[in-house]
Amino acid sequence: AQTVTQSQPEMSVQEAETVTLSCTYDTSESDYYLFWYKQPPSRQMILVIRQEAYKQQNATENRFSVNFQKAAKSFSLKISDSQLGDAAMYFCAYRRSGSNYKLTFGKGTLLTVNP
Amino acid sequence: EPEVTQTPSHQVTQMGQEVILRCVPISNHLYFYWYRQILGQKVEFLVSFYNNEISEKSEIFDDQFSVERPDGSNFTLKIRSTKLEDSAMYFCASSENASNQPQHFGDGTRLSIL
Repeated sequence: AQTVTQSQPEMSVQEAETVTLSCTYDTSESDYYLFWYKQPPSRQMILVIRQEAYKQQNATENRFSVNFQKAAKSFSLKISDSQLGDAAMYFCAYRRSGSNYKLTFGKGTLLTVNP
Repeated sequence: EPEVTQTPSHQVTQMGQEVILRCVPISNHLYFYWYRQILGQKVEFLVSFYNNEISEKSEIFDDQFSVERPDGSNFTLKIRSTKLEDSAMYFCASSENASNQPQHFGDGTRLSIL
């Protein structure tokens, strides 16, 4: 069974600084997708960034980027120039390749952004 | 941007009562999901649904749970006889008919069992 581990229950960062959230996963599949979702206090789960396992290039979305290390089964999220609005719970998630497969989530990392 | 909508936002129910949680997925999406998040714990998969039938379900999704797409827009989760441990946030999600498309989540329904 696939598992996703987020070893940092809480992290904090100063506004405008950079922070990296860690995620490791375990799978026997060779093709899969990895995601970071953000859950602010408003509760909605918002997709931040995704990575296809077959792509060697790390995904980037504006201030958000990932460091995908397939051999190490590591998928960290880097937030650059942190903003107050980045404060939220961040979940790492895994999904097998294919249309209808479930997401397997980590326990989440609560990110605080200090002004 | 199209959104997944869930109602109600908060549901309070007596233990043993039936509850129906409602979701309107994004209109061109064909795959539908329910997840739950017990307070302080990780988000857990309950069930996936495609072409009017369950595709996959977890161990949590026992005989007390059922899902239905009663019309062309709604997707419901029913819990027949609620237990205290059913108290959680329930998220609906939907995705397009393509393997590389992500799941889009609703705001969730907070279910409180008394």
